[in-house]
Amino acid sequence: DADVTQTPRNRITKTGKRIMLECSQTKGHDRMYWYRQDPGLGLRLIYYSFDVKDINKGEISDGYSVSRQAQAKFSLSLESAIPNQTALYFCATSDPWGAETQYFGPGTRLLVL
Amino acid sequence: GQQVMQIPQYQHVQEGEDFTTYCNSSTTLSNIQWYKQRPGGHPVFLIQLVKSGEVKKQKRLTFQFGEAKKNSSLHITATQTTDVGTYFCAGPRAGGTSYGKLTFGQGTILTVHP
Repeated sequence: DADVTQTPRNRITKTGKRIMLECSQTKGHDRMYWYRQDPGLGLRLIYYSFDVKDINKGEISDGYSVSRQAQAKFSLSLESAIPNQTALYFCATSDPWGAETQYFGPGTRLLVL
Repeated sequence: GQQVMQIPQYQHVQEGEDFTTYCNSSTTLSNIQWYKQRPGGHPVFLIQLVKSGEVKKQKRLTFQFGEAKKNSSLHITATQTTDVGTYFCAGPRAGGTSYGKLTFGQGTILTVHP
């Protein structure tokens, strides 16, 4: 949805570099998520945040960190990128008072050389 | 941890044929959600099922939630080229602190040949 934006949309980086992926939303949702998508593996949860002061690890958090700067902003960092972090990354939001439906951003395609 | 398995991984059909994808969870789910991702796009919510044995329809799409709330299916009647994409099931584990946290299946990639 246009209400969830991600920057950059595409990124090429080298092994060992630190990079940050950013996510912003105008939906007013408290809950935000970072997923990575790899062929054949579906969507795997990296980190999630249920409000500004709440950060939780997902199933594949190693090598990643996050920052929830505001209700509307949730950033994902790769402190030292490695080639197996090449993937499609999605940010999502959900409304705790709704049906737990998740609204995804357009994705960031990351290539680590 | 919770696992959600989806089969088949790929399905190629001729336009007009039917298509079904199946989703099985290792744990009881509080609800099941289905998402569709068009090629080059992002996942978009299709529907949520909450009740045991629930069946919902959206035009040519029929969604079912199993009696034990551990499995689900999506059936498309008379596929069209607009149905192309990856279909994901996802669900939060029933009980505990999993509210709002979804586990996704691996997805079924549907190709429709005109």
